[in-house]
Formats: sequence, structure tokens, C-alpha cells
Amino acid sequence: NAGVTQTPKFRILKIGQSMTLQCAQDMNHNYMYWYRQDPGMGLKLIYYSVGAGITDKGEVPNGYNVSRSTTEDFPLRLELAAPSQTSVYFCASSYQSGSSYNEQFFGPGTRLTVL
Amino acid sequence: RKEVEQDPGPFNVPEGATVAFNCTYSNSASQSFFWYRQDCRKEPKLLMSVYSSGNEDGRFTAQLNRASQYISLLIRDSKLSDSATYLCAVMNTGFQKLVFGTGTRLLVSP
Repeated sequence: NAGVTQTPKFRILKIGQSMTLQCAQDMNHNYMYWYRQDPGMGLKLIYYSVGAGITDKGEVPNGYNVSRSTTEDFPLRLELAAPSQTSVYFCASSYQSGSSYNEQFFGPGTRLTVL
Repeated sequence: RKEVEQDPGPFNVPEGATVAFNCTYSNSASQSFFWYRQDCRKEPKLLMSVYSSGNEDGRFTAQLNRASQYISLLIRDSKLSDSATYLCAVMNTGFQKLVFGTGTRLLVSP
């Protein structure tokens, strides 16, 4: 199993450009998440999905969009990049059933710089 | 007040030392608690869950104090390889959403 994969690893964008951060998991997890981590800060939840076709906003959704057309893929879209979106983006997935918590597995991250 | 707070450190300790970190949380309804380890420029990985009765995994011991709303992580006999940032994470009722602290940086020196 590859686990959670993310592409690209690094990207530099100009202000106003758009891009999609790709995330895929091969563990048949139903829940997927997007976080951003700014230097010296914890992870902040951007969007999450509890299954294919279902997405919802997290703590910091402004400036981002997501879709979940399949169980495996959860891309994150930046429409008009701004310097405030310079960050490291982590995708994660987990299998949730009932009220028990199961570990979130993280991808290696995408380092995005907006200039 | 932040929902989850940690001392950012760094904690500088020699090999073999015992070191402890605390993490406070503000939501008394929080249900589940975790410690994640994050190496420099890497993704977080689950170190251990924190149970009400406390739990131990080798040199690592995690405890929960619901009355004072904090969790702790104790590392005994520190190794150079323990150098990392330790993130605490708290899950509230309802959706399985984790709220992370900013992390505590540990540096273990020879």
C-alpha cells in the first residue's frame, strides 16, 4: 500500500494563479481531510469529507474548494492564490465507523509558496 | 483562549534524561486525546492515544487529567532520535475532527 500520496511536493505560484493539490489514498478510508500548517503553528483543518460526494468546511476554508468524486481522491483547489496561502498542506485519511476513533494517516505534504 | 495550548519549547535535554510536556484544552466536552510526533519537514505520525487511566508504551507515558483539562507526555531515557516536535490533538464530540496544538519542540543532545 502506498498509503496517502500527495502531489506536487513543492510549488511556487504567482498571486492570482490557480492550482489543484492532489491527494489519494489506497486504504479504502472513508474520511479524508485537508490541513494547512504555517511555520511554528499547529495544523488547521481546511475541509474534510466523510465519504464520496460529501464535503464540509473546516476551520479555515476561505480561498479553497474541494471535491470528493471517489473514495480514493480528495483534491484541494486554490482559485486565486494569495501570499496568505503560503503554507505546507497535508492531506490525511482515516476509517471511521460508529463513535470509535481510528488513526489519521497523513500524506508527505505539499509546500506551497505564493509570491 | 486557544482550544488546545502547548509550550512551544524548545526543550533541550541530554541523552538519558526524562522530559515531560503538558497540553491544556479548553473544551470540557472533549472526548479523545492524542500525541503525534512530527519530524522536521515531515508529516505528523500518531505516537500514542491518551486514555483516562493513562497508558504506557515503552519509554513513553501519556496521562489525562480531566479535572484540570490537560494531557501529558513523559519520555524516559531520552534518545537522540526522540528529537522532534510533539503535537497534542483533541477530539470533541460529534464529527471525528481533531484540533491540534502548535507543538512542543524537543532537542536531545549527546
